[in-house]
Amino acid sequence: KNEVEQSPQNLTAQEGEFITINCSYSVGISALHWLQQHPGGGIVSLFMLSSGKKKHGRLIATINIQEKHSSLHITASHPRDSAVYICAVRSDFGNEKLTFGTGTRLTIIP
Amino acid sequence: NAGVMQNPRHLVRRRGQEARLRCSPMKGHSHVYWYRQLPEEGLKFMVYLQKENIIDESGMPKERFSAEFPKEGPSILRIQQVVRGDSAAYFCASSSQGWTGHYDEQYFGPGTRLTVT
Repeated sequence: KNEVEQSPQNLTAQEGEFITINCSYSVGISALHWLQQHPGGGIVSLFMLSSGKKKHGRLIATINIQEKHSSLHITASHPRDSAVYICAVRSDFGNEKLTFGTGTRLTIIP
Repeated sequence: NAGVMQNPRHLVRRRGQEARLRCSPMKGHSHVYWYRQLPEEGLKFMVYLQKENIIDESGMPKERFSAEFPKEGPSILRIQQVVRGDSAAYFCASSSQGWTGHYDEQYFGPGTRLTVT
């Protein structure tokens, strides 16, 4: 079993739909990251969370430390949101390496 | 304020040759991480370095791979005697250490796509 599990693996939705991507992890963490990887391959850091909720534009990330679960939401989805979304965790303080989920491939249809 | 820079962006090597991948962290960042993404697979940690020190190399293959982050200049990931299985995207990320001692988030470079023929 992977330390970081994401669901769904693939998601196709119509433009405008509300999107939720889930991430569960099995280790204690100091922080959780949400990353976006576009078809060109570059990786952009969207959020780093250690508790609660963060919002940036149409993106919202939440984390529940007790349940070891995080969600990434996209409101009013747009075709340009089509990308692979990756959850990654930093396992404990002082051990800075990231452990990654396998990613969720999101396709937004106009 | 340039971000993390990697070069080359694409590198083609024949089996048995050496590959050198370079990473220049963001200004002010003293921590560098290398990750590998094999075709159709997720990202995997390789090595974590601070200036002149390897902090964690638990993800590095035991043979043919090495990494350094000298006092001056970029971090280098070196792969000797490359094989086809080394074909992958190699990403570098950098971070700084905040005043609290907690490390800041990692910023990723554009990656180097290595193809071994």
